[in-house]
Amino acid sequence: QVQLVESGGGVVQPGRFLRLSCAASGFTFSNYGMHWVRQAPGKGLDWVAVISHDGSNKYYADSVKGRFTISRDNSKNTLFLQMSSLRAEDTAVYYCAKDHRGIVGATDYWGQGTLVTVSS
Amino acid sequence: AIRITQSPSSLSASTGDSVTITCRASQDISNYLAWYQQKPGKAPKLLIYAASTLHSGVPSRFSGNGSGTDFTLTISRLQSEDFATFYCQQYYTYPRTFGQGTKVEIK
Repeated sequence: QVQLVESGGGVVQPGRFLRLSCAASGFTFSNYGMHWVRQAPGKGLDWVAVISHDGSNKYYADSVKGRFTISRDNSKNTLFLQMSSLRAEDTAVYYCAKDHRGIVGATDYWGQGTLVTVSS
Repeated sequence: AIRITQSPSSLSASTGDSVTITCRASQDISNYLAWYQQKPGKAPKLLIYAASTLHSGVPSRFSGNGSGTDFTLTISRLQSEDFATFYCQQYYTYPRTFGQGTKVEIK
């Protein structure tokens, strides 16, 4: 069965950086686009970024463009989110999610999330 | 970015009732709309994609309808496990955008 396990969250000071990872199993990782979606405490869902199956196409939300970088290592079935210049408003649970069809489908499976808290 | 307006923000219903949630997109998104269910402390789960196609394993009491700009999610015969928050999302274009969510509570 599809399994996505995020890691790397924690408490970080404003302006610093953090790298999240998402380990995938139960499907052919290299065939699917992958997303990051976040959820601030008590708030709704907020799409962050997507990467195509081979890493050749990437899209970002305007709120993170230039600060966050999505990448993947298909040899290790792992997705990453490098976050820099972190702000208090980046505080959220970050979910990785698999795309149903390339990078043009719905997100059909989600990890359990990892909490990032940006605070001094 | 495409704006998605979801309503209502919350509703109360009893087990066995039918409820309908609505999402309206700020422009034509064809049928590129998905519905998700989220329970407290848990990740969202995909219910419906392509506006009306049930994801694998989703009970048939969930149904989706619509195309263009107006979409609905209907839950027939509410079960206790259905009380949760529901979100719609357009995947017609990037950036992808979600509705604000609808919390379905027990009356």
